[in-house]
Amino acid sequence: DAKTTQPPSMDCAEGRAANLPCNHSTISGNEYVYWYRQIHSQGPQYIIHGLKNNETNEMASLIITEDRKSSTLILPHATLRDTAVYYCIVRPGGSQGNLIFGKGTKLSVKP
Amino acid sequence: DAGVIQSPRHEVTEMGQEVTLRCKPISGHNSLFWYRQTMMRGLELLIYFNNNVPIDDSGMPEDRFSAKMPNASFSTLKIQPSEPRDSAVYFCASRPGRWLNTEAFFGQGTRLTVV
Repeated sequence: DAKTTQPPSMDCAEGRAANLPCNHSTISGNEYVYWYRQIHSQGPQYIIHGLKNNETNEMASLIITEDRKSSTLILPHATLRDTAVYYCIVRPGGSQGNLIFGKGTKLSVKP
Repeated sequence: DAGVIQSPRHEVTEMGQEVTLRCKPISGHNSLFWYRQTMMRGLELLIYFNNNVPIDDSGMPEDRFSAKMPNASFSTLKIQPSEPRDSAVYFCASRPGRWLNTEAFFGQGTRLTVV
């Protein structure tokens, strides 16, 4: 599976947008970008995924660059409950590809 | 649906004892995963089942670890004999389909402490 690179930590003010970057320069054409998060002491939670188009759901937006070598997860109005470790993962779609977690980004939302 | 259910939530055992962790996936999900999480190593994939068949067990650390999925609604992860370095949080996850591009749902985990 392709590797991803994320900053180890980020801070964000409550109510502001949180923009979490991810580099995946070796991504293959059939690999999707997934984002999960893990709030302290809980299991990881799916947020969003995409292939090449930008995606939006009730939790977040995913912006993927045209060359697909990087992406940004956007939490439009971060709350204290969004404090968590955010994982960016790439895996083949429509296959038995596994979810391999890296170290993620620890997002701290501050009042 | 109650989600992925793991039991027990917490387990404390003595070194050398057998430990069995249990997982009930979401009904209708075909894929099941076992992960281990520690501060040092993060989230590690141990084994992956599809339609009750182990597909990839390359993450299982050693022969002391074994996993089974006797039917679509139940899986176990067994450690025998347990060692202090097995102390970790063990997560089970399930996913609807092998050929669908879908997300995985995780349980709340079992915190294992081996003393």
